[in-house]
Amino acid sequence: EVQLLEAGGDLLQPGGSLRLSCAASGFTFSNFAMTWVRQAPGKGLEWVSSISGRGENTYYAESVKGRFTISRDNSENRLYLQMDSLTLDDTATYYCAKDQVFAAVQENWGQGTLVTVSS
Amino acid sequence: QSVLTQPPSASGTSGQRVTMSCSGSSSNVGFNGVNWYQQVPGTAPKLLMYNDNQRPSGVPDRFSGSKSGTSASLGISGLQFEDEADYYCSTWDDSVNGPVFGGGTRLTVL
Repeated sequence: EVQLLEAGGDLLQPGGSLRLSCAASGFTFSNFAMTWVRQAPGKGLEWVSSISGRGENTYYAESVKGRFTISRDNSENRLYLQMDSLTLDDTATYYCAKDQVFAAVQENWGQGTLVTVSS
Repeated sequence: QSVLTQPPSASGTSGQRVTMSCSGSSSNVGFNGVNWYQQVPGTAPKLLMYNDNQRPSGVPDRFSGSKSGTSASLGISGLQFEDEADYYCSTWDDSVNGPVFGGGTRLTVL
């Protein structure tokens, strides 16, 4: 059974940094691209970033480009999202997802971790 | 403002059939497969349909998907109270170079 468990969410001030992690199990992690999707409180889903199975290709939404960095450790079956220069608009629940098709179809989702940016 | 347009709400009575729409453009829906996600409030999204009309294992055949031009639809027949949820469409957008989502449709089962 595929399991994805996010961690690292916190309350922090604008301009701060945070690293989210996602522990994956139940599948061969390195064979699949992974994606981060976020959801602001009471709002819809927004794609954040995707990374290929071996980590050689990464994509970012314009809203986070230059501030967020996606990475993965295939030896540890972990996905990461380094978030810098956080703003109020980054407040959201962040989900990690296993892709069926690179960045285009998210077939399994974690339960999410809440990031709150507030002054 | 979402790239894909979905009506904010839909409703139906138990046992009825309901459809919900997702409108895009030639850079997304018109050229790429559409996916649908179901999200019961307070829980994570779940993949319901991919590549316009393909159901993942475990999704009942009460759910169906279709697409014509730059619009896609999700149909739910034999509506059940457990179908109450938010439904999001998504697809790859060649202009964004990433996936885009609709704003979601909240389904109420009366």
